[in-house]
Amino acid sequence: QVQLQESGPGLVKPSQTLSLTCTVSGASISSGGYFWTWVRQRPGKGLEWVGYIFYGGSAYSNPSLKSRVYISIDTSKNQFSLKLSSVTAADTAVYYCARDHDGFYYGIYYWGQGSLVTVSS
Amino acid sequence: EIVLTQSPGTLSLSSGERATLSCRASQSVTSRYLAWYQQKPGQAPRLLIYGASNRATGISDRFSGGGSGTDFTLTISRLEPEDFAVYYCQHYGASLYTFGQGTKLEMK
Repeated sequence: QVQLQESGPGLVKPSQTLSLTCTVSGASISSGGYFWTWVRQRPGKGLEWVGYIFYGGSAYSNPSLKSRVYISIDTSKNQFSLKLSSVTAADTAVYYCARDHDGFYYGIYYWGQGSLVTVSS
Repeated sequence: EIVLTQSPGTLSLSSGERATLSCRASQSVTSRYLAWYQQKPGQAPRLLIYGASNRATGISDRFSGGGSGTDFTLTISRLEPEDFAVYYCQHYGASLYTFGQGTKLEMK
């Protein structure tokens, strides 16, 4: 059973960089062409795709976030990470790490519990 | 960039009734890459339907998806108390994921 767990600071100052890590268990991050994904949800709002990376391939991010997103993989720790630069209060959200499932046509099946990140001075 | 518009924003129904939720795409999309999720307060989303009409593992057969082109629906045949939640449609295309804004299904 694939499990994902987000970790990182719960408070980030405006203009700084938000950094989150997702630790994966039950699967190797270096196997298969899975989409290791970040989704966020602002307080009281809907789901917003942030970006994904797949091992051995490229990373893609939401055009609305422009070039502020950087997603990377650390195979030695079986983790993937999100960095979001130049944050503002609008980046305050619960951030989920997630992954698709074989045969589910990119449906996001596995989800972490979510990590609340607040941007405030 | 594809925009998914869900309607209604809020749907008020009673247990035992049938719920029909709509998801409209701004342009024709591949049904294969259209999914639906359920989210309850304080929880991560749960994948219900993938490929527009296929139930994910462990999902009750009261949930069904359909549609093609630009118009897709999620139907819950007989509402149970645990079905009252927010539902999102989602599409994958051109290397991007897009979510609809959600439909809140509330108890009448």
